[in-house]
Amino acid sequence: NAGVTQTPKFRVLKTGQSMTLLCAQDMNHEYMYWYRQDPGMGLRLIHYSVGEGTTAKGEVPDGYNVSRLKKQNFLLGLESAAPSQTSVYFCASSYVLYGGGDGELFFGEGSRLTVL
Amino acid sequence: AQSVTQLDSHVSVSEGTPVLLRCNYSSSYSPSLFWYVQHPNKGLQLLLKYTSAATLVKGINGFEAEFKKSETSFHLTKPSAHMSDAAEYFCVVIPDEDSSYKLIFGSGTRLLVRP
Repeated sequence: NAGVTQTPKFRVLKTGQSMTLLCAQDMNHEYMYWYRQDPGMGLRLIHYSVGEGTTAKGEVPDGYNVSRLKKQNFLLGLESAAPSQTSVYFCASSYVLYGGGDGELFFGEGSRLTVL
Repeated sequence: AQSVTQLDSHVSVSEGTPVLLRCNYSSSYSPSLFWYVQHPNKGLQLLLKYTSAATLVKGINGFEAEFKKSETSFHLTKPSAHMSDAAEYFCVVIPDEDSSYKLIFGSGTRLLVRP
C-alpha cells in the first residue's frame, strides 16, 4: 500500500525556471493539500483541494499554482522560481477535511527544492 | 489570534528516561488537538489526537497526551524513551469548527535520545 507518493524527491532550479511537483494517493481521499516546511516555522498550507476539479488557496499561495484533474493526483507548479521558494514541500491527503473528527492527514515523504 | 506554541525547540533525554514535550494553544472554543511525528527524511505521521472525548489520549508507540483546558495545554509524554523516538514532533490544532476550520502547526520540537 503506497499511500501518498511525491515526485521528484529532490530538485535544484535556477531563479526564473519552472517546475511541477506531483502528488499521487491511492486511498481514494477527497481532500489533498500542499504544505511547505521551513526551519522553525512548522508547516504552512499553500493550496488545497476538496475534490476532483477543485482547488483553494491556503496560507501562503503566492507564486504557486495547483491542479486536481484526477482525484488521485494533486500537482503543485512553480511558474517562475525564486530563492524564497527553497523549502521542503509535503503533500498530504485525508478523508475528512484537515483530518478532523475521526480522520487524520497522511503525508508523503517530501520533496526538497533548492532555488539558486 | 488562534495559535499553538511548542515551548521547547529541542529536548534531549537519555534512553529509558521519561519524555515531556510541551504544547500550549490559544483558542476561543474547544479545539481538536493532534501530535504528529516526523522521522528524518520522512513525512509526518499521526501519533494521537484529542477531539473532545477523554482528556487523556493514548497514541502509538507508548505516547500519551493530556488535554487541560484550564491550562490550555496538550503536553506529550512517554514513560521511557527509546532510541527510535528520536524525531521531530509537531503539536497541531484545529481551533474550532466554523468557516475558518483549518490546521495550525506548532514550530516543532526536536527530540534527541542519548544512549
